[in-house]
Amino acid sequence: EIVLTQSPGTLSLSPGERATLSCRASQTVGSSYLAWYQQKPGQAPRLLIYGASSRAPGIPDRFSGSGSGADFTLTISRLEPEDFAVYYCQQYGSSPAYTFGQGTKLEFK
Amino acid sequence: QVQLQESGPGLVKPSETLSLTCTVTGYSITSGYYWGWIRQPPGKGLEWIGSIFHSGEAYYNPSLTNQVSISISTSKNQFSLKLSSVTAADTALYYCVTTAGVWFDPWGQGILVTVSS
Repeated sequence: EIVLTQSPGTLSLSPGERATLSCRASQTVGSSYLAWYQQKPGQAPRLLIYGASSRAPGIPDRFSGSGSGADFTLTISRLEPEDFAVYYCQQYGSSPAYTFGQGTKLEFK
Repeated sequence: QVQLQESGPGLVKPSETLSLTCTVTGYSITSGYYWGWIRQPPGKGLEWIGSIFHSGEAYYNPSLTNQVSISISTSKNQFSLKLSSVTAADTALYYCVTTAGVWFDPWGQGILVTVSS
């Protein structure tokens, strides 16, 4: 099983700042097989990034993904108030077919 | 535009079977994609339960294989989840999702299922 470890667990920032969220895999993950989601309270997760670096339709360009191998990063260039949420990375690969990181909570400083 | 909506009982007794249905609108379930279930215990992270193709080919999280069954109804454009012998650990928000194979999009709004006597 590929375990995804996200860091930090909680990130405290202010609007306008840059956020950098990390997702580290216990084994190599194909870049095509890494996605990021945003979840706001009381809502279902929403796909942000797929294939490690491609933005899903309708996602603002302040969101970007990068990385390869076992290290992936989600960057939010300038935080907007609506960006404060929990973020999950997810991989597709060996059994189980899909695993998620434990999440990073992005909160107001 | 594909939309998913979960339905089913919000309360299940321990040792009984949890049964949920996902109704798909805006897309024919036979046209492709995999259809699946993901759950999220209150205040915790996400766990993939299993997925099914329109042909009926299904695959499950090995940690739940002995408990779970996913089926599909092409005539109703629905797919369903059954989770047997539930315990309090199965209390969670259950989401139905679709995937072309790698990532999940879109998601249903989720349904909270509580296991309690």
